Amino acid sequence: DSGVTQTPKHLITATGQRVTLRCSPRSGDLSVYWYQQSLDQGLQFLIQYYNGEERAKGNILERFSAQQFPDLHSELNLSSLELGDSALYFCASSVTSDQETQYFGPGTRLLVL
Amino acid sequence: QQQVKQSPQSLIVQKGGISIINCAYENTAFDYFPWYQQFPGKGPALLIAIRPDVSEKKEGRFTISFNKSAKQFSLHIMDSQPGDSATYFCAARGGGGATNKLIFGTGTLLAVQP
Repeated sequence: DSGVTQTPKHLITATGQRVTLRCSPRSGDLSVYWYQQSLDQGLQFLIQYYNGEERAKGNILERFSAQQFPDLHSELNLSSLELGDSALYFCASSVTSDQETQYFGPGTRLLVL
Repeated sequence: QQQVKQSPQSLIVQKGGISIINCAYENTAFDYFPWYQQFPGKGPALLIAIRPDVSEKKEGRFTISFNKSAKQFSLHIMDSQPGDSATYFCAARGGGGATNKLIFGTGTLLAVQP
């Protein structure tokens, strides 16, 4: 158990809908990272927050947004969902902002029908 | 230039054997190279990492060999065990500043046969 929690574990929704994925980092970790894992694209970095502020941005679509709250938990919002958004979404956390030693959560499996 | 190429895609090794997974990169600005292990239904877990100023790092049965001039690095798993059966990802950190990120290889599915 990495100490990173993600909810929900599974999510089934329809195209065009909006969902929110939640992540609680390990105690003491200030950075939260979001990743998308799909069969065709592999593990792709989406976005990083450090102590409430956006730190780095990867291949995140404009339909997706994220934030980190004062208690350091983070939410990833996915809107106008498409079939291709079906994937595993992982949250990771680390103590510092340098992307090293990241601890991954168990993931949220999103299925868009 | 931002890619990390990983091979093989899958690997079958006998118990007690050596598993070797290779990765190659182009961007010489990459400055941190971790390996992650992922079991089915779980998130990736950091296994071992190396920086480009070191040619080898060993932790237990896991060793990273790093060849800066060839822009290649590899993971060696000595005395491979059935419990090592998992997907292994190499990664490299690059981009810098607001684009700094880990770029992952495509993964290697390792099966260690008893």
